[in-house]
Amino acid sequence: GEEVAQTPKHLVRGEGQKAKLYCAPIKGHSYVFWYQQVLKNEFKFLISFQNENVFDETGMPKERFSAKCLPNSPCSLEIQATKLEDSAVYFCASSHRLPYNSPLHFGNGTRLTVT
Amino acid sequence: QKEVEQDPGPLSVPEGAIVSLNCTYSNSAFQYFMWYRQYSRKGPELLMYTYSSGNKEDGRFTAQVDKSSKYISLFIRDSQPSDSATYLCAMSADKSNYQLIWGAGTKLIIKP
Repeated sequence: GEEVAQTPKHLVRGEGQKAKLYCAPIKGHSYVFWYQQVLKNEFKFLISFQNENVFDETGMPKERFSAKCLPNSPCSLEIQATKLEDSAVYFCASSHRLPYNSPLHFGNGTRLTVT
Repeated sequence: QKEVEQDPGPLSVPEGAIVSLNCTYSNSAFQYFMWYRQYSRKGPELLMYTYSSGNKEDGRFTAQVDKSSKYISLFIRDSQPSDSATYLCAMSADKSNYQLIWGAGTKLIIKP
């Protein structure tokens, strides 16, 4: 499609439950990125993929967070045993190329609330 | 101290005014500078990008970088109510478009 599609829009989980977020990048874009935005603060980079391969995971928390991009499926970000501090808006973005002047196309985000 | 400082606002101006949005930064290695616009409950979209110092103009928007002062600006001429959004600056020391250091965003309100 022509837009990055993120589902669900809102997700509420009790502390300790699992959360799974999905992202369909723009067709033809090779790169997918996940960001976390807490309380309207700065975006924190989590992980990126080039097609189905992890490209950069330097921002990914070592525990509880995992992500996949499999062929012919939406990409996913999974949080095991959610904590209150995981409450945030999670944005997915895709890009055709990597240089700074190649726009990141963002989805509208998934708002995760952990209660 | 944050690497990138941006006044969260809100900044409220009348329609037609010239708007000036700014960010300061501390890392002199930053060379690539971007401005993103984010409407409420939407993802950000890239407005402008510049490399190193200087000005860049695109329609009603002008991006300005002063590396000696570690200060970047976005000017919006003839502001419209549709410009009401949060404007985020982002910057990087390398050429990548994703490992960015983001400002917290300035909420801009254009009053009709």
